[in-house]
Amino acid sequence: GAVVSQHPSRVICKSGTSVKIECRSLDFQATTMFWYRQFPKQSLMLMATSNEGSKATYEQGVEKDKFLINHASLTLSTLTVTSAHPEDSSFYICSASPWVAGFQRETQYFGPGTRLLVL
Amino acid sequence: SQQGEEDPQALSIQEGENATMNCSYKTSINNLQWYRQNSGRGLVHLILIRSNEREKHSGRLRVTLDTSKKSSSLLITASRAADTASYFCATDAGRGATNKLIFGTGTLLAVQP
Repeated sequence: GAVVSQHPSRVICKSGTSVKIECRSLDFQATTMFWYRQFPKQSLMLMATSNEGSKATYEQGVEKDKFLINHASLTLSTLTVTSAHPEDSSFYICSASPWVAGFQRETQYFGPGTRLLVL
Repeated sequence: SQQGEEDPQALSIQEGENATMNCSYKTSINNLQWYRQNSGRGLVHLILIRSNEREKHSGRLRVTLDTSKKSSSLLITASRAADTASYFCATDAGRGATNKLIFGTGTLLAVQP
């Protein structure tokens, strides 16, 4: 099956620093990837849609200058949390779905998530 | 918020019993999907039901969809302790090929051995 990886799995940083999270589709190409944020005991909230070769589309209320997304290749999207603060501490998850025979599959495959703790 | 709602928020049952979770959503959809998440982990896709389908089965899972009521249910039969996890419904309402998913609030299922 399709596999999506994330790196790092866990990161602790000081307030004010920037943190980059990578999302890779290991055995398929993904023109579109999605980034979600999940707070403890809550559901996933879609942050943005990452588009290969073009700008990301952000959901309402998500600061694009705070959460920089780059989708430079068909297998890699990165999310950079700039000037991180304690309230940015969360579980960040990415997802992607493969193209098969000219059609994008409806099923999304999720990465294992990255737990960010900002001190 | 466009987020769907699930009930119950938490469900505790004994092994062997059936577990039913319900999901309500707000907009018209292309499909509805159910995912499972073990604590602190990523999501695993369970089953997808399209807007023109009413019921679907996969192993011990049975999903129903009522588009007139904008609701879906997930039934897990003969539950096992290993089924303990959070379960989320997610709706795909996007046009074209974006496949953007909006998740429900989730149900935390605990299956007691």
